Amino acid sequence: GQQLNQSPQSMFIQEGEDVSMNCTSSSIFNTWLWYKQEPGEGPVLLIALYKAGELTSNGRLTAQFGITRKDSFLNISASIPSDVGIYFCAGRFDNAGNMLTFGGGTRLMVKP
Amino acid sequence: DVKVTQSSRYLVKRTGEKVFLECVQDMDHENMFWYRQDPGLGLRLIYFSYDVKMKEKGDIPEGYSVSREKKERFSLILESASTNQTSMYLCASRPPGQVRVAFFGQGTRLTVV
Repeated sequence: GQQLNQSPQSMFIQEGEDVSMNCTSSSIFNTWLWYKQEPGEGPVLLIALYKAGELTSNGRLTAQFGITRKDSFLNISASIPSDVGIYFCAGRFDNAGNMLTFGGGTRLMVKP
Repeated sequence: DVKVTQSSRYLVKRTGEKVFLECVQDMDHENMFWYRQDPGLGLRLIYFSYDVKMKEKGDIPEGYSVSREKKERFSLILESASTNQTSMYLCASRPPGQVRVAFFGQGTRLTVV
């Protein structure tokens, strides 16, 4: 079946460090989304990507839609304690109709 | 701003009870979704609806049903709650067309004892 792999599963970093996480899919995606979920809350959209090669920033966050359409990365620069949470990638396979597929999440912990 | 509201943040129910989880969105979105989230398993789609009275099974529909009588409201029903349905439940909605962004509610943490 179609799979979406997100890595790393967790990261424990020092405040001020840069962070990078990525997702790879077994098939072509036509949309990549990145969400952040804080403890006890629902996921909140950070960045949406619609075209291969697209690079989009949202403050200290930058995400790219891979050229092959099978991968995406999210970078966070100069991390701060409030960056703590679980980051999910999500996307839509070409033949998936209305369905979004979610990665397993990257749990980010930031040490002040 | 899009607002997706789930009726309860926390619920504790007994095994065998019938449980209703309610979700309301205020942006006239056609598509609505119910996911459950479990550690190590990510978000798994239970059911979705693309219009009033229309529903489609997701990846894990067993033990659940849904109701969409009005466009703004999508209910998830556990006919007879079991302990393995203890989980975080997330509702999402999405506008029609090419925009594929889903907006989530705050989640309902259900514990079945």
